[in-house]
Amino acid sequence: GAVVSQHPSWVICKSGTSVKIECRSLDFQATTMFWYRQFPKKSLMLMATSNEGSKATYEQGVEKDKFLINHASLTLSTLTVTSAHPEDSSFYICSARPADSPRDTQYFGPGTRLTVL
Amino acid sequence: SQQGEEDPQALSIQEGENATMNCSYKTSINNLQWYRQNSGRGLVHLILIRSNEREKHSGRLRVTLDTSKKSSSLLITASRAADTASYFCATAAFYNQGGKLIFGQGTELSVKP
Repeated sequence: GAVVSQHPSWVICKSGTSVKIECRSLDFQATTMFWYRQFPKKSLMLMATSNEGSKATYEQGVEKDKFLINHASLTLSTLTVTSAHPEDSSFYICSARPADSPRDTQYFGPGTRLTVL
Repeated sequence: SQQGEEDPQALSIQEGENATMNCSYKTSINNLQWYRQNSGRGLVHLILIRSNEREKHSGRLRVTLDTSKKSSSLLITASRAADTASYFCATAAFYNQGGKLIFGQGTELSVKP
């Protein structure tokens, strides 16, 4: 089956530092990847849609300069939280859509828990 | 923006009982999907139902879709302690950008042994 990994699975950082989270599709190529944010006991909020080789499309209210997304290859997308602050602490989940699949197919990563001190 | 509303927000049942969760949405959809999430983990895809379908089964799962009421329900029969998790519905709209999903608020299910 299609597997999506995220690295790291958890990270603790100091306020003001930047943190990079990787999302990889391990056994398929993904032209589109999605980044979600989830607060404790809350739903997933779509942050942005990442397309390989082009700029990401951000949802309304998501700061593109704060959450930098790079989708440089068909198997890797990265989310960089710049100048992180405690309010950025959250669970970040990515998903990937295989290049040759219907638009309603997505495979989710296991998530990355970010804690900003 | 989140468009799904789920109820109940939390549900506690005994093992062996059935669990029913409901989801309502606001806009026209292409399909509706249900996911499970164990605490602190990623999402597991359970079932997808298309807008032209009314009911779908997968093992102990039964999903219905009523597009006139813009609602869906997920029934888990003969529940097990291992079914304890949060359950989310997610909708994919027509003509959306690359298939993005909009998630509901989720139902936290607790199955007591």
